Amino acid sequence: AQRVTQPEKLLSVFKGAPVELKCNYSYSGSPELFWYVQYSRQRLQLLLRHISRESIKGFTADLNKGETSFHLKKPFAQEEDSAMYYCALGGSNYKLTFGKGTLLTVNP
Amino acid sequence: GAVVSQHPSWVICKSGTSVKIECRSLDFQATTMFWYRQFPKQSLMLMATSNEGSKATYEQGVEKDKFLINHASLTLSTLTVTSAHPEDSSFYICSARGRMPYEQYFGPGTRLTVT
Repeated sequence: AQRVTQPEKLLSVFKGAPVELKCNYSYSGSPELFWYVQYSRQRLQLLLRHISRESIKGFTADLNKGETSFHLKKPFAQEEDSAMYYCALGGSNYKLTFGKGTLLTVNP
Repeated sequence: GAVVSQHPSWVICKSGTSVKIECRSLDFQATTMFWYRQFPKQSLMLMATSNEGSKATYEQGVEKDKFLINHASLTLSTLTVTSAHPEDSSFYICSARGRMPYEQYFGPGTRLTVT
């Protein structure tokens, strides 16, 4: 069965500090992994996907198949990064399995 | 960009009644839509996959007779919660599949409160 684990419910950092949101997955095939973000009072939106190897809003995420991880990183956090972040794993029929989410708070 | 709307955004109904939630893709056609449920401070749980012109596929543990899904057109899917009970109170979110694999555009959600 596929599973996504985000071990931290809450993460609090100061502005300018590095931030890493952890995500581990369990999947028997070749994984498709995503990070979604939900800002306060807004809908869920895609932040980045591993296959694109892109950097969005300064965030990057590298797929590590050996550690079955897809951690989200940003070297210098900004206050506007405060949001709920969900790691998601693609499965059959294009369905997504979401982790429980990590609430990131960036303090001034 | 692709926009998905939901209506209503918030609904209160009495126990035993049915309520319908609409999900629309406003500027694109979506052959597949997904319905999720989100409990407070918890993650999204996929309830069902809705394909235009065919029956919905429900996830294990989701009562298909209770949560009726209809995807009558390429821009509209509806979720009807039948004989609602207080335990059905939740936040229901739909998404529409885009062109890229696994690309999903999410609606703003509908908060259902059953009294």
